[in-house]
Amino acid sequence: SQQGEEDPQALSIQEGENATMNCSYKTSINNLQWYRQNSGRGLVHLILIRSNEREKHSGRLRVTLDTSKKSSSLLITASRAADTASYFCATSGGRGSTLGRLYFGRGTQLTVWP
Amino acid sequence: DSGVTQTPKHLITATGQRVTLRCSPRSGDLSVYWYQQSLDQGLQFLIHYYNGEERAKGNILERFSAQQFPDLHSELNLSSLELGDSALYFCASSVGDRGLYGYTFGSGTRLTVV
Repeated sequence: SQQGEEDPQALSIQEGENATMNCSYKTSINNLQWYRQNSGRGLVHLILIRSNEREKHSGRLRVTLDTSKKSSSLLITASRAADTASYFCATSGGRGSTLGRLYFGRGTQLTVWP
Repeated sequence: DSGVTQTPKHLITATGQRVTLRCSPRSGDLSVYWYQQSLDQGLQFLIHYYNGEERAKGNILERFSAQQFPDLHSELNLSSLELGDSALYFCASSVGDRGLYGYTFGSGTRLTVV
């Protein structure tokens, strides 16, 4: 399966701390994306990293991709209570995949305490 | 507002009934994707339409069907509903048919079958 798997399943930190979430996948990919979902609400696209990229930044977010290890990490620096949400990685493309579809992991539930 | 509009936001219906979920993609996007999110299955890809044509099917039940109309809006029809169909149904759109630049998700329709 191309489905990604996030680790940890749940993460609880204090405001101001950094949060790191990891994602592993099993086959080659074209790109990997991270999404955020507030409880029971829609998915918000955070960042997309292509298979030929190793690191991308967007504000307080830093994403890395290691295609040799088939893994990615999402770092949120100086976390805020408003960052509390579920974070999903999703892969697209690659061998054996269905064109255009996203393969989602089960997500990491991040709780940031004030 | 992500630019992808899903209606209705909430739907409560009885087993055996039929419902229609509607999605309007972001302006300029030709692809529409449907996903189902449930607690036990996570985010599951259902179907992908590009410019009115079906491009890929995922874990979509035979009781479910979808279409994309000439104005690019899409409808997902769920019939003979069962309790297990209760879930969040998301629509996403993208410019092309490969999601190379990411996807925009709607806020979802929460379906409760009683």
